[in-house]
Amino acid sequence: SQQGEEDPQALSIQEGENATMNCSYKTSINNLQWYRQNSGRGLVHLILIRSNEREKHSGRLRVTLDTSKKSSSLLITASRAADTASYFCATFTFYNQGGKLIFGQGTELSVKP
Amino acid sequence: NAGVTQTPKFRVLKTGQSMTLLCAQDMNHEYMYWYRQDPGMGLRLIHYSVGEGTTAKGEVPDGYNVSRLKKQNFLLGLESAAPSQTSVYFCASTALRIVNLLGYTFGSGTRLTVV
Repeated sequence: SQQGEEDPQALSIQEGENATMNCSYKTSINNLQWYRQNSGRGLVHLILIRSNEREKHSGRLRVTLDTSKKSSSLLITASRAADTASYFCATFTFYNQGGKLIFGQGTELSVKP
Repeated sequence: NAGVTQTPKFRVLKTGQSMTLLCAQDMNHEYMYWYRQDPGMGLRLIHYSVGEGTTAKGEVPDGYNVSRLKKQNFLLGLESAAPSQTSVYFCASTALRIVNLLGYTFGSGTRLTVV
């Protein structure tokens, strides 16, 4: 089964509004990452937050991580039509054989102009 | 340009045929991964490699084999394709020194249809 579960599965907002996506996971992690995927394209890395960090910012993005609740959230402020895409959280964990990045099912964001 | 290159970009196979997908990276990354993406399922890890000559199973390895003979290349093989393997396949890579700092680099994907 997949590590991460994202909520909501789909989100529709107006341009200028904020968008919040949530991610929950099951096992201990070394870091959590967020990716964006435009329709029919590959994945683009947005931001990484390590397990000992609680909050991180990058431009209009704000990510929080609560390891006690095994959850993370991604906030996109002042959204634009160009932010329309699918957003995935992914958890990275080191194992004896190296490390694995496991994805959630994603949130489909639609920003209407 | 530096990055991850996947070939081919599109392929149609008949049930029972075999094929190999190639992933090449020029960033000297140790870690390489193969994922498949199906509608509503997100990305699922098929196999991965943490270095030349090593491979390991991911979440959905059945029906696939992999090889990492050279550090820059990671091959995904389908020995006998089935319709259930119709999917978009993504390759990704990262380096051990940045794995807790930066995200993975993804290829643009291979769209495979098995009829």
